[in-house]
Amino acid sequence: GAVVSQHPSWVICKSGTSVKIECRSLDFQATTMFWYRQFPKQSLMLMATSNEGSKATYEQGVEKDKFLINHASLTLSTLTVTSAHPEDSSFYICSARPLGGRTEAFFGQGTRLTVV
Amino acid sequence: GNSVTQMEGPVTLSEEAFLTINCTYTATGYPSLFWYVQYPGEGLQLLLKATKADDKGSNKGFEATYRKETTSFHLEKGSVQVSDSAVYFCALSESFSGNTPLVFGKGTRLSVIA
Repeated sequence: GAVVSQHPSWVICKSGTSVKIECRSLDFQATTMFWYRQFPKQSLMLMATSNEGSKATYEQGVEKDKFLINHASLTLSTLTVTSAHPEDSSFYICSARPLGGRTEAFFGQGTRLTVV
Repeated sequence: GNSVTQMEGPVTLSEEAFLTINCTYTATGYPSLFWYVQYPGEGLQLLLKATKADDKGSNKGFEATYRKETTSFHLEKGSVQVSDSAVYFCALSESFSGNTPLVFGKGTRLSVIA
């Protein structure tokens, strides 16, 4: 099956610093990847849609300057949390859907971000 | 717009009990339907899917049947195990395009006790 790899799986950073999370599709190409945020015991919140070679599309209420998304190739999207604060602490998950007729989406392992 | 509604949890069952998690959907066309499972501290894994009416998806003892007439895709398992404790998400996709995200329900937390 298709595999999406997300790195790192957890990170602790100091307030004010930036953190980059990588999402790679290992055995398929994805012109689009999706970034979600999940609070404890809550559902997934779609943050943005990452488009290869173009700007990301952000959901309402998501700060573009806080959550920078770059989709430089057909297999890699990155999410950078800039000037992180404790309220940015959360579980971030990426997802991608293979091109060419497969309907399901595949998810990375998630990244637990803790800002201290 | 499209939406997915699933029963709220948490659901607590004893081992070997029968499980049903209800899921209904609203869609303008003919969506594909999915159940995903999330174990603690992990991402989501596809559990099963169905792409057209009356299809039954099954995996690891779990089953769900695509019911167009009731717009439902209820998840069932005949005998749950402690290892089934997780959060279960129902989802739909109306597009074969890789450019649109799935629409998810809010998730149902299942706890199975020995």
